[in-house]
Amino acid sequence: DTEVTQTPKHLVMGMTNKKSLKCEQHMGHRAMYWYKQKAKKPPELMFVYSYEKLSINESVPSRFSPECPNSSLLNLHLHALQPEDSALYLCASSPKAGWSGANVLTFGAGSRLTVL
Amino acid sequence: AQSVSQHNHHVILSEAASLELGCNYSYGGTVNLFWYVQYPGQHLQLLLKYFSGDPLVKGIKGFEAEFIKSKFSFNLRKPSVQWSDTAEYFCAVNANDKLIFGTGTRLQVFP
Repeated sequence: DTEVTQTPKHLVMGMTNKKSLKCEQHMGHRAMYWYKQKAKKPPELMFVYSYEKLSINESVPSRFSPECPNSSLLNLHLHALQPEDSALYLCASSPKAGWSGANVLTFGAGSRLTVL
Repeated sequence: AQSVSQHNHHVILSEAASLELGCNYSYGGTVNLFWYVQYPGQHLQLLLKYFSGDPLVKGIKGFEAEFIKSKFSFNLRKPSVQWSDTAEYFCAVNANDKLIFGTGTRLQVFP
């Protein structure tokens, strides 16, 4: 299995809702990432997990709450979002965090979020 | 902080034309360099990467890129593009545990 699977593919939520995005990989990768991509813009790093521990938080608002229950799963919990948070949320994984000869990120197809 | 610049925002070519997309980065230390491609409606895919060694790297689908350290550049090339190469192309730099993307170049290839 060489894929990163993200669910749901599409999500519409109101500003008072609580929802979660899920990401799963079975490649034995020990680093997992959340990126946010607005239309016609590059992906922007949000969080990095290394060995199930949060290692990088790019000053993301607390209405986004990541969770890494185990080495294969990564969640992004959403609460009290704003319409400007509407975007494609990409999950990625790599053999480990940091730069090294083996560190190539594999991306999922993304979850397209619309906040009304 | 490191950054990545892609100066070509939108490139339009006819099939069989040659392609070169520019990428410059700013970071003084050791970097790993990548080109990713995002076909319409699909996820980001790795085209090629540079970690060390031969500065001319070859990737999938006939793409290649050359790392020129003195110019902080990692330009992407393909001698003859196809309609199926229509996509968004992102240069990326991995430094300090972060993969930072350039702004992207939209390539449209017409038959």
